Amino acid sequence: DAKTTQPNSMESNEEEPVHLPCNHSTISGTDYIHWYRQLPSQGPEYVIHGLTSNVNNRMASLAIAEDRKSSTLILHRATLRDAAVYYCIDFISGAGSYQLTFGKGTKLSVIP
Amino acid sequence: ETGVTQTPRHLVMGMTNKKSLKCEQHLGHNAMYWYKQSAKKPLELMFVYNFKEQTENNSVPSRFSPECPNSSHLFLHLHTLQPEDSALYLCASSSRDRAYEQYFGPGTRLTVT
Repeated sequence: DAKTTQPNSMESNEEEPVHLPCNHSTISGTDYIHWYRQLPSQGPEYVIHGLTSNVNNRMASLAIAEDRKSSTLILHRATLRDAAVYYCIDFISGAGSYQLTFGKGTKLSVIP
Repeated sequence: ETGVTQTPRHLVMGMTNKKSLKCEQHLGHNAMYWYKQSAKKPLELMFVYNFKEQTENNSVPSRFSPECPNSSHLFLHLHTLQPEDSALYLCASSSRDRAYEQYFGPGTRLTVT
């Protein structure tokens, strides 16, 4: 079972910021938090990842709570193209094994 | 534009047929993955290959048989499938040292009749 929990769906108005929450209360101290998204009729795409401090890249920002039990993916200005399912992911690594464990994700709708 | 391509994009096959799905990556990666995405379940990892060696098989039935002849190509051979195997089959690749950043292909939509 996925170790992360997210709301099933969210809505946002176009050009407004979007905050997508994720709870990962059982995350270990060395596990990174990863986010992917899946646009309609496409495979998932990597968005961002982080460990303890907030992270920014060209796609989004990731705010991680001090206790690391939750995080928030921030899209600064939602566009219609950002309508997708967003996955907060547990990443398992070990000797020769690398697994992304996807949950159901949050379906983001962007209203024009 | 993704550097991972998959063919065919759509496939309809009967339960007695044998078919193969193909995946090719042009990113210089050395790890490749097969995932299954069903309508009612989250995306599930099926197989992992690192440097052409299978390192993970998540209890996948033997009617699915992967093949990785080199680090750029990955196949999924299908035989005697069941209707419940109808799903979107996604291929992904990554570099081994950044396995958390996987690049996915567009998938093959498989329907088993």
